[in-house]
Amino acid sequence: GAVVSQHPSRVICKSGTSVKIECRSLDFQATTMFWYRQFPKQSLMLMATSNEGSKATYEQGVEKDKFLINHASLTLSTLTVTSAHPEDSSFYICSASWGGAETQYFGPGTRLLVL
Amino acid sequence: QKEVEQDPGPLSVPEGAIVSLNCTYSNSAFQYFMWYRQYSRKGPELLMYTYSSGNKEDGRFTAQVDKSSKYISLFIRDSQPSDSATYLCAMSAPTGNQFYFGTGTSLTVIP
Repeated sequence: GAVVSQHPSRVICKSGTSVKIECRSLDFQATTMFWYRQFPKQSLMLMATSNEGSKATYEQGVEKDKFLINHASLTLSTLTVTSAHPEDSSFYICSASWGGAETQYFGPGTRLLVL
Repeated sequence: QKEVEQDPGPLSVPEGAIVSLNCTYSNSAFQYFMWYRQYSRKGPELLMYTYSSGNKEDGRFTAQVDKSSKYISLFIRDSQPSDSATYLCAMSAPTGNQFYFGTGTSLTVIP
């Protein structure tokens, strides 16, 4: 149980375009979803926390107009990287939790390359 | 001081060795403790979850929590090359919705 999927697994786009990444909890209702960014050989960097039906809470230094997060249902959250630039190239990982948030389950990640 | 401290390694051991991975933390409110394994270019996978103090065993993996010392450990017995990955500790408190991760320890098991 507790499976989280992400789509797409890899995306290459031109600078200036927007990219949407989907995160789905397949077998549970995720009251909270988290979005992380990870650079090569570095640890996870939390970008934002989103609760279903509420606006996302962004970490300091993360531009909310750049990284749009929508958590419209208990099984789906989306991250849209708007007007992507090469410096946005990274590995984006979502995770999901429920109830008391005793733990969280991660998706497989999405590798974004902006040319 | 960081909430969670973890030695990044890298740690290199021969196949069959016992591996000990550790994290220390500063917040006494933490009650939930997790270990994740992350292979290169993959999302972290939950390995072990422990509530409060004590030991938990699952196959070759044993998680220990010592709340009095604010210290958690993951032991891997009979390590295999397939155990080569980055291991992240994580913890959270009963209130709020925040998780705190260690920086991860890179482990290589040499055949």
